[in-house]
Amino acid sequence: EIVLTQSPGTLSLSLGERATLSCRASQSVISSYLAWYQQKPGQAPRLLIYGASSRATGIPDRFSGSGSGRNFILTISRLEPEDSAVYYCQQYGSIPYTFGQGTKLEIK
Amino acid sequence: QVTLRESGPALVRPTQTLTLTCTFSGFSLSTNRMRVSWIRQPPGKALEWLARIDWDDDKFYSTSLRTRLTISKDTSKNQVVLTMTNMDPVDTATYYCARMGAPTQYFDYWGQGTPVTVSS
Repeated sequence: EIVLTQSPGTLSLSLGERATLSCRASQSVISSYLAWYQQKPGQAPRLLIYGASSRATGIPDRFSGSGSGRNFILTISRLEPEDSAVYYCQQYGSIPYTFGQGTKLEIK
Repeated sequence: QVTLRESGPALVRPTQTLTLTCTFSGFSLSTNRMRVSWIRQPPGKALEWLARIDWDDDKFYSTSLRTRLTISKDTSKNQVVLTMTNMDPVDTATYYCARMGAPTQYFDYWGQGTPVTVSS
């Protein structure tokens, strides 16, 4: 089973700043099959990024993903109030599918 | 448009069996390489994948829960059913179903989730 470790656990930034969220895998993720999801309180997760770097339909270009192998990054440029949420990475290259423990992003 | 909706009991007693239904629209589970998964999230905790069923009736399960889970589908009703036996308070969570659109394996559409509490 691939273990995903996200850092930091909590990130507190100001409006307009850039957020960098990390996801490290215990072993290489096949074909960069790595997705990122955003979850707001009381809501289901929403797909942001798939294939490590492809934006899902309707996701603003402020969100970008990068990385390969064991190390992946989600970058959110120009933070807006609605970006306050918990962000999860997930690998879908091997079963069992696994999620990271999440990074909570707070907007000051 | 694609929608999914979970339904099932809000409260289950310990040792009972939980049965959840995912009713979906906007796609067919008979489409080549279409898949649906169940995922759960205990209060304040991370997401955990539980099971997946494919268009050709292939089934896959969480390693730690495989002995307790059964996933099935009724293509004519656009439904996927998950049963979990021997429920325990640690199984208290919100349970989601999610589509894995052909040919991908990431979760592109999610239901709103159904909360399940396990308590005597």
